[in-house]
Amino acid sequence: AQTVTQSQPEMSVQEAETVTLSCTYDTSESDYYLFWYKQPPSRQMILVIRQEAYKQQNATENRFSVNFQKAAKSFSLKISDSQLGDAAMYFCAYRNTLEYGNKLVFGAGTILRVKS
Amino acid sequence: NAGVTQTPKFQVLKTGQSMTLQCAQDMNHEYMSWYRQDPGMGLRLIHYSVGAGITDQGEVPNGYNVSRSTTEDFPLRLLSAAPSQTSVYFCASRTRGVGTEAFFGQGTRLTVV
Repeated sequence: AQTVTQSQPEMSVQEAETVTLSCTYDTSESDYYLFWYKQPPSRQMILVIRQEAYKQQNATENRFSVNFQKAAKSFSLKISDSQLGDAAMYFCAYRNTLEYGNKLVFGAGTILRVKS
Repeated sequence: NAGVTQTPKFQVLKTGQSMTLQCAQDMNHEYMSWYRQDPGMGLRLIHYSVGAGITDQGEVPNGYNVSRSTTEDFPLRLLSAAPSQTSVYFCASRTRGVGTEAFFGQGTRLTVV
């Protein structure tokens, strides 16, 4: 079974600075998708960014970018110019393209605190 | 656009009681799922459905039942609530396709005493 590991339970960043959240995963598949979801205190789950394993170019969405290292099975999220609204729990998730139902497997999450 | 609607938002149950968490989506999504979120464990899949009339078990299905009689609705039933089922429950839906975004409801915080 695939597993997703987020080794940083909590991270802190100063407003306007850059922070990187780590994620590693375990799979024997070659084609899959990876996602980062944000969960603010409202509890709403919000998609931040997604990456297809076959695409070598790292995905970018405004201030959010990923560093996808397929051989190392690593998928880190970089947040540039951090804002107070970025404070949230961040979940890394994996989806296998071949598995029936293409289910999402989540990591344990990283709490990000933003200091003003 | 309502998206994914879960009811109730909060619930307290006594051990042994049964209840149904409601989930409805208005986006005509084929796929729907139920997750539970516990501290330090992320979200874990309880049950999922790839279309009306089709359901399957996820990672932690024990103590829960689901059915999918329509595309829009995917209720989760707790048969006999236990304190171990105290958690935050999320319903999600998405279109068919492996890279598609899963849209989540606001969650239900359930406490079993």
